[in-house]
Amino acid sequence: DIQMTQSPSSLSASVGDRVTITCRASQSINSYLNWYQQKPGKAPKLLIYAASTLQSGVPSRFSGSGSGTDFTLTISSLQPEDFATYYCQQSYSTPRTFGQGTKLEIK
Amino acid sequence: QVQLQESGPGLVKPSETLSLTCSVSGDSFSSYYWSWIRQPPGKGPEWIGNIYYTGSTNYNPSLKSRVFISLDTSKNQFSLRLSSVTAADTAVYYCASTPSGSYGHFDYWGQGTLVTVSS
Repeated sequence: DIQMTQSPSSLSASVGDRVTITCRASQSINSYLNWYQQKPGKAPKLLIYAASTLQSGVPSRFSGSGSGTDFTLTISSLQPEDFATYYCQQSYSTPRTFGQGTKLEIK
Repeated sequence: QVQLQESGPGLVKPSETLSLTCSVSGDSFSSYYWSWIRQPPGKGPEWIGNIYYTGSTNYNPSLKSRVFISLDTSKNQFSLRLSSVTAADTAVYYCASTPSGSYGHFDYWGQGTLVTVSS
């Protein structure tokens, strides 16, 4: 199985801050990397797929980059509704695997 | 746009079989792979497996001996059966869709259903 490791596990930030979350794969996954946002009691929501493609309807303050083993999710200017947990997920091979999550909290 | 809705018992006894159904509406049933994903309380999601409209399946090796995913195209539904459950199988279970020919991302999810394994 491909292991996905996110850092940091938690992050405190303020509205308006620029935030970056990192995801590392245990082997090369080309660009088969997806990012999700999850709020308490809700299903994960797709933000970005193929490492850098914004899902329809997702605000442009979210962006993704990377290829191979190292990837980043950036939120350019945090909004109150962005405080949530973020997961990366590889779709290069089965079983599909997720990172352990990064909880973004209000400072 | 796809809508998914999970249904099934919220409580299952240890050693019994967990059975859930996902009802799909919206887009063409044959345009997607259909997955089951679970999330134990306070943990990250775990992919259980998927099925294509042809009936072809893929399972997570960690669960493969206990999992069976099937579909009923006439009802636009697919189902999960997980046998010999233990407390470790307590989780929110989601169904999700992956567009055929895509990068393999899960674009639509059901709201999830909590299944508790307890006597």
